[in-house]
Amino acid sequence: DARVTQTPRHKVTEMGQEVTMRCQPILGHNTVFWYRQTMMQGLELLAYFRNRAPLDDSGMPKDRFSAEMPDATLATLKIQPSEPRDSAVYFCASGWLVSTGNTEAFFGQGTRLTVV
Amino acid sequence: AQKVTQAQTEISVVEKEDVTLDCVYETRDTTYYLFWYKQPPSGELVFLIRRNSFDEQNEISGRYSWNFQKSTSSFNFTITASQVVDSAVYFCALSDARGSGAGSYQLTFGKGTKLSVIP
Repeated sequence: DARVTQTPRHKVTEMGQEVTMRCQPILGHNTVFWYRQTMMQGLELLAYFRNRAPLDDSGMPKDRFSAEMPDATLATLKIQPSEPRDSAVYFCASGWLVSTGNTEAFFGQGTRLTVV
Repeated sequence: AQKVTQAQTEISVVEKEDVTLDCVYETRDTTYYLFWYKQPPSGELVFLIRRNSFDEQNEISGRYSWNFQKSTSSFNFTITASQVVDSAVYFCALSDARGSGAGSYQLTFGKGTKLSVIP
């Protein structure tokens, strides 16, 4: 049963610390998304990659957030330094985009981040 | 710009009642995709359906049905004979189909509708 795997599931960290969230997309998918979910803003796109190349990261605070795909099986989202307002659930999703349109994006279980 | 509006923040129904979740979208694209996702209390987002803008046929899957009406820019979701396991937050989402450029194919989500099914 193919699924998107995110680690860690939960993370509590102190303000100012670096946080790295990892995502293993579904094998063969060529697009990876990072979303953040908060009560106030709902689900917001932070960044997305196609064929490992970053296509859009306009949703990320550039000074502290960075997203990478070192290889096709790993996507990372890093926050340095973390702040309390970064507390949220971070979702990774992957999908297969073809010339005729996109398929559904499959979501991981999310990383619940709490910055104290 | 794309926008998805789910006007119902919370809905409560008694088990076995039918319930319809509303979704209204805005887009300038002529080709686009609409989705529904379910987020149960465990937190994961579960894909339910994808519909492209050229296909206005309604779809039924078991107790779930979707009514896509381009004329009113709506993509409503009906659960028939609701069950307690249907209790979740349901998200409607919209994606363009431009296939190029920044932001293409990204999902724009509504704020979600929390459905509580009472036994």
